[in-house]
Amino acid sequence: DAKTTQPTSMDCAEGRAANLPCNHSTISGNEYVYWYRQIHSQGPQYIIHGLKNNETNEMASLIITEDRKSSTLILPHATLRDTAVYYCTPGNNAGNMLTFGGGTRLMVKP
Amino acid sequence: DAGITQSPRHKVTETGTPVTLRCHQTENHRYMYWYRQDPGHGLRLIHYSYGVKDTDKGEVSDGYSVSRSKTEDFLLTLESATSSQTSVYFCAISTGTSGQSDTQYFGPGTRLTVL
Repeated sequence: DAKTTQPTSMDCAEGRAANLPCNHSTISGNEYVYWYRQIHSQGPQYIIHGLKNNETNEMASLIITEDRKSSTLILPHATLRDTAVYYCTPGNNAGNMLTFGGGTRLMVKP
Repeated sequence: DAGITQSPRHKVTETGTPVTLRCHQTENHRYMYWYRQDPGHGLRLIHYSYGVKDTDKGEVSDGYSVSRSKTEDFLLTLESATSSQTSVYFCAISTGTSGQSDTQYFGPGTRLTVL
């Protein structure tokens, strides 16, 4: 099974870009990289996912290295409401479980 | 939020009593999941369902059973609750189909305390 490694915590100034890294060196060729976040006491919230190409949506951008061993989630203009624990996790077809590790606790400060 | 509700949202029960948690979705998604989340263990899959009356075990299924008699409801039952089952339980649905990427959306969670 692919395992992920993320920094335990990060700080970011409000209005600045938050760049959250994730190492997934054992990810399989057909596995996507998913990013979720969890705000205290709430259910995990889907952010974005990708396979090989970089992706962007209304919430964030995802940069995946060419060898697919790591990725970076970018929140372009962090706000206080982005304070949360961010998880990257591999996943593929429907019916497969997501495995969340420790994640990165992002603190956005005024 | 993909129209997912969980009930109850909080429950305190005693060791040895049966407990049933309910997950309800409004969008007829085929796949539904039950996870538990504990400090130091992240999110772990208990059971999942890929259709009415079609279920399978996850990583930590011992002590739990599930049922899905209709598309919109997925029930998780603790036949005889133990203190080790004190946790936060999340239901999720998948918008993917077999062979496609699987984006899962989570409900608000049920906080269960077994005394």
